[in-house]
This record gives sequence, C-alpha cells and structure tokens, in this order.
Amino acid sequence: TQLLEQSPQFLSIQEGENLTVYCNSSSVFSSLQWYRQEPGEGPVLLVTVVTGGEVKKLKRLTFQFGDARKDSSLHITAAQPGDTGLYLCAGVEIQGAQKLVFGQGTRLTINP
Amino acid sequence: NAGVMQNPRHLVRRRGQEARLRCSPMKGHSHVYWYRQLPEEGLKFMVYLQKENIIDESGMPKERFSAEFPKEGPSILRIQQVVRGDSAAYFCASSPMTGGSNYGYTFGSGTRLTVV
Repeated sequence: TQLLEQSPQFLSIQEGENLTVYCNSSSVFSSLQWYRQEPGEGPVLLVTVVTGGEVKKLKRLTFQFGDARKDSSLHITAAQPGDTGLYLCAGVEIQGAQKLVFGQGTRLTINP
Repeated sequence: NAGVMQNPRHLVRRRGQEARLRCSPMKGHSHVYWYRQLPEEGLKFMVYLQKENIIDESGMPKERFSAEFPKEGPSILRIQQVVRGDSAAYFCASSPMTGGSNYGYTFGSGTRLTVV
C-alpha cells in the first residue's frame, strides 16, 4: 500500500491568517483528493486533482497537485472559524485495486 | 438521492460478542469500501467489495473480521469476539465504477463501535 504523509498534524491559528497543509509521498498516485471531516460525520469530498501541476480553487481554498503527482498542498487564505475541522488528503493507488489511501489528517483550529 | 446509509450509528458490545455493521451504498453504486478510523487519525483501508465479490481485503485483519456485499441487500462488516481494540469509527464509502476512485468517494456517517 502506498503511503501519504500529511503535515502539520495539528494547526491552530488566528482568524484572518493564511495557512498551508502539505501531503507528501514517495509514490505516484493516479489522483489526489482532499476531504473535510466534521466531528461525528464521514469525510466530505472537497476536490480531486488529477493532472500533475494542476491547481484548483474553491473560494478561499487553493489545491495544488505536484508536477510528479506524488504530493499536494491545500492553502487557505484569510482563514475563518468556519474552516475549523479535520482535513484529509487521499490518493488513488495506480496499481492493484486502485483504492483510496488516506494521510493521517490535519486538525485545523481557527480562533476568532 | 439518498446518500450512503450506515447503521447503526452507535453500537456498544461487550468483549466476546459479535458486531454487525451495515452499509447501503448510493443508488447505482456497485463498489463498496470499508475504512476504520481511530480518534485523531486518518482512515485506514480495510476491504473493497463489489456485488458478491471481495476485490481487495488487504487491510482487514485475518481473524475475527469478515465482509460481504450480497446480490441483494446491504454490505455487512462482521467482527466476531470483539475486543477493546476494535473500538473505533467504521466508515463505508461507495463509488459507481472501477476507477471511480478518481471521482471521489461518497462516505456514510459511520458506525461508532464501543467495546466495553
């Protein structure tokens, strides 16, 4: 199984600041996905990036897929308390059953 | 359209009992995946099933755990003789096709198993 390392694991910042979460691997993935999970609920898909170097924006969130398709980043501009949550990156394995493997997650807290 | 339905939402079992977790995928989805999540951790893959077939069970412990996705009815994750270490949130996800992983999964709300 291919592995994904997510950093930082915990991040607490003030409202209005910017932040970046990283998702790294030594393996190539077919695509990378970002999910957000609220307490007591399942993960909800935010975005899928498929092409190396691809950048997608979702309001104040910017997602990038590395050129080599081994890593990804999530950048949040002007963070708001509503952004608080667990952010998970996940990669689709190229070989085998092409299943989704998850990083360990980043617990983000935005303080008002 | 109804999403992925998991039940029960919460399940309490005594050590040594059996736990049955059910998952009904989204309408039209024939691929089901089970994941386990411990507090403050990511999701760990357990098993991938299509109707009546286990495609990949590399993440599932070889003893006490089993999964099925029958032709009719929900997918079932079964844990026999539960131990305290089985306490976790178990999530089911579905997708419509092979390679559907690239389109993202739809997850259920999970079953929180507590073994006392």
